[in-house]
Amino acid sequence: DTGVSQNPRHKITKRGQNVTFRCDPISEHNRLYWYRQTLGQGPEFLTYFQNEAQLEKSRLLSDRFSAERPKGSFSTLEIQRTEQGDSAMYLCASGMDNEQFFGPGTRLTVL
Amino acid sequence: AQSVTQLDSQVPVFEEAPVELRCNYSSSVSVYLFWYVQYPNQGLQLLLKYLSGSTLVESINGFEAEFNKSQTSFHLRKPSVHISDTAEYFCAVRISGGSYIPTFGRGTSLIVHP
Repeated sequence: DTGVSQNPRHKITKRGQNVTFRCDPISEHNRLYWYRQTLGQGPEFLTYFQNEAQLEKSRLLSDRFSAERPKGSFSTLEIQRTEQGDSAMYLCASGMDNEQFFGPGTRLTVL
Repeated sequence: AQSVTQLDSQVPVFEEAPVELRCNYSSSVSVYLFWYVQYPNQGLQLLLKYLSGSTLVESINGFEAEFNKSQTSFHLRKPSVHISDTAEYFCAVRISGGSYIPTFGRGTSLIVHP
């Protein structure tokens, strides 16, 4: 399968714990995006990489959130000291030109 | 900044009936427009896009959308739906030549009844 993959698919954690999600993009894509999606809403942009450089971050991305793409390939999104409001689906997408290809998402539940 | 409005949160329709999912956008500059589909427990898939040229764009599975600049709309249509078209549909807009980050609408749930 050569699509975008995300791990884990589901994560349940207790409030205050740290969590890390991984995204493996399509190999030839230089752009990588992270979004958050809650029930009944469209994806909300969090951050964007071109190769290893993080070019944009949304104001939604609090200091507890950090993302990396160390070698311009896979990316990780870490949430520190999780809160119940962080419960959502976290989507990763990769792309070139004018298309984005989405992964299946990681569903986070914070108890 | 650009924005997208999907007026209908849910559209129920019977199989083989036509359907239109509405999308209006707001932007002061030229835009690219997209429709994505999300089937249950899956990621978003690009359905079709308008970048330039012909204002009528089509997908491989029978959907079409027409870019109407004067009405700032990009409505999605299908003349005859199937049960398998049941999904969430998202309209998205991006400034042409600018940031590569699209703004998504809230989505419309298309529910096809037998």
